Amino acid sequence: EDKVVQSPLSLVVHEGDTVTLNCSYEVTNFRSLLWYKQEKKAPTFLFMLTSSGIEKKSGRLSSILDKKELFSILNITATQTGDSAVYLCAVVDYGGSQGNLIFGKGTKLSVKP
Amino acid sequence: GAGVSQSPSNKVTEKGKDVELRCDPISGHTALYWYRQSLGQGLEFLIYFQGNSAPDKSGLPSDRFSAERTGGSVSTLTIQRTQQEDSAVYLCASSLVSGSGELFFGEGSRLTVL
Repeated sequence: EDKVVQSPLSLVVHEGDTVTLNCSYEVTNFRSLLWYKQEKKAPTFLFMLTSSGIEKKSGRLSSILDKKELFSILNITATQTGDSAVYLCAVVDYGGSQGNLIFGKGTKLSVKP
Repeated sequence: GAGVSQSPSNKVTEKGKDVELRCDPISGHTALYWYRQSLGQGLEFLIYFQGNSAPDKSGLPSDRFSAERTGGSVSTLTIQRTQQEDSAVYLCASSLVSGSGELFFGEGSRLTVL
């Protein structure tokens, strides 16, 4: 069964800390991996990763994909309270179910002042 | 508007009533998804539409749930004979190309069944 597993499920840090969120996957026809940030209701797109070893970066956030070991990490440096959110990982699985897109359950990040 | 629009934003209903939730995707987006999110939980896939193809209904939890997409644009999710366990936020998302993964989400419809 295709699956996407995120860890940890929740994380509490203090402002200024660096965090690493993990996403591992097992899918039949991997196409790409995506990260989303969900603060209140609507998840917003962060990154799409298709190739191994190429880091995507946006400000204090960065992400990388390892297609050999089947995982991705999302790093956030110098965390701020505004980074508090649920971070969702999703994998595009061509020919798979759920409209070719499988979401993990998310990591809830809480950043304390 | 430029984004995915959902209505109503909030709906309170009594157990046993039917509800309709509407999603207006971004113009030109061929793929449309419905998800359900209960408090503190992840996204639960419900149904997926791609162009004129038959929808993927594999996530619908029971036959009380149905959805349609008219003219390849607006979609309506209908829940018949609502139950308390149907209470959740229902999120709609669209994407330009099927399988691109880059979804644009609406703000959701929060359903409360009393």
